[in-house]
Amino acid sequence: DSGVTQTPKHLITATGQRVTLRCSPRSGDLSVYWYQQSLDQGLQFLIQYYNGEERAKGNILERFSAQQFPDLHSELNLSSLELGDSALYFCASSVEAGGRTDTQYFGPGTRLTVL
Amino acid sequence: EDKVVQSPLSLVVHEGDTVTLNCSYEVTNFRSLLWYKQEKKAPTFLFMLTSSGIEKKSGRLSSILDKKELFSILNITATQTGDSAVYLCAVASGTYKYIFGTGTRLKVLA
Repeated sequence: DSGVTQTPKHLITATGQRVTLRCSPRSGDLSVYWYQQSLDQGLQFLIQYYNGEERAKGNILERFSAQQFPDLHSELNLSSLELGDSALYFCASSVEAGGRTDTQYFGPGTRLTVL
Repeated sequence: EDKVVQSPLSLVVHEGDTVTLNCSYEVTNFRSLLWYKQEKKAPTFLFMLTSSGIEKKSGRLSSILDKKELFSILNITATQTGDSAVYLCAVASGTYKYIFGTGTRLKVLA
């Protein structure tokens, strides 16, 4: 158990809908990262937040957005869902923003299925 | 474009064998290279490498980085069936981006 929690575990929804994935980082970790893992794409970095502010963006679609709240939990919002958005979405956390350590601890993931 | 390439894509060995997994990279502003093991769900951290030539070890696993040739290897000696997993290599760049390779799928047969 990494100490990172993600909810829900599974999510099944229809095309065109909007969903919110939630992540609580390990106690004391200030950085939260979101990743998408699909069978054909591998693990793709989406976005990083550090202490409430966006720090880095990866391959995140405009239909997706994220935020980190004052209590450091983070939410990833996916809208206008398409079939191709079906994937495993991981959240990871680390202590710093990548200064002295880049070790990330991954949550168990949320499996999103878009029908 | 930043990229991380892992090889082989997949390998099958017998218990007791030694395996070497490769990770080569091309990124701007390299900061560190990380290895993860992914079994059924979430990746778990193995090593972080920042300096060339310094081997990191944890039990039967070891890893080393060559920043001149832009690659890293992960060695697993005396493999066990519990080592069966996908091994992911990731590179952290100076802009706080993380680029992952597609992984090497290792299967260890009893």
